[in-house]
Amino acid sequence: QVQLVESGGGLVKPGGSLRLSCAASGFTLSDSNMGWIRQAPGKGLEWVSDISRSGGTTYYKDSVRGRFTVSRDNAKNALYLHMNSLRADDTGIYYCARSIVVAGPLDWYFDLWGRGTLLTVSS
Amino acid sequence: SFDLTQPPSVSVSPGQTATITCSGNKLGNRYAYWYQQKPGQSPVLIIYRDTMRPSGIPERFSGSTSGNTATLTISGTQAVDEADYYCQSWDSSYVVFGGGTKLTVL
Repeated sequence: QVQLVESGGGLVKPGGSLRLSCAASGFTLSDSNMGWIRQAPGKGLEWVSDISRSGGTTYYKDSVRGRFTVSRDNAKNALYLHMNSLRADDTGIYYCARSIVVAGPLDWYFDLWGRGTLLTVSS
Repeated sequence: SFDLTQPPSVSVSPGQTATITCSGNKLGNRYAYWYQQKPGQSPVLIIYRDTMRPSGIPERFSGSTSGNTATLTISGTQAVDEADYYCQSWDSSYVVFGGGTKLTVL
């Protein structure tokens, strides 16, 4: 069964750190770029970060660059999001997703999503 | 920056056609993608490359573009289509989502 399962969310105080994980199954993670997308409570989707197949290239939304780090362990079929200096506006459901990037990119979209893990940043 | 603008809400009667637009100043040079998100669920890709439907997506969902506007059309809308719909595209090194449109079937 092709799926993504996120974990690691929870309640964190402002300024704190957390690491989210995403476990992939049913497909070979190393064949795919991967991304993180978040959704604040009652709000829309917001792209956070992407990482290339090898992990050699990463992309970040401006507001998280320097605070968040995306990484992957293809041998473990796992994706991670290390988050530091967390702020209240980082609160939301964090989804990992398989990122389809074609030719440069010509395409950049997400064809498989996990169920998400909830991060709450509050004192 | 590259922003995508969607109407916050669209209403449609069952069996009728719903149209949701997505406007952005670079959409004429980029593909648009569409996702459906039902309450409490993860988003699902329903249209890619402006007009293409992934396997398993009903034929009543279709996409089109004209200039800097992409349009999602749902023909013969059903009650199960009530959901939030998001368009998405990209710029040089980042992904952008529209603000989302809540489709109400009444």
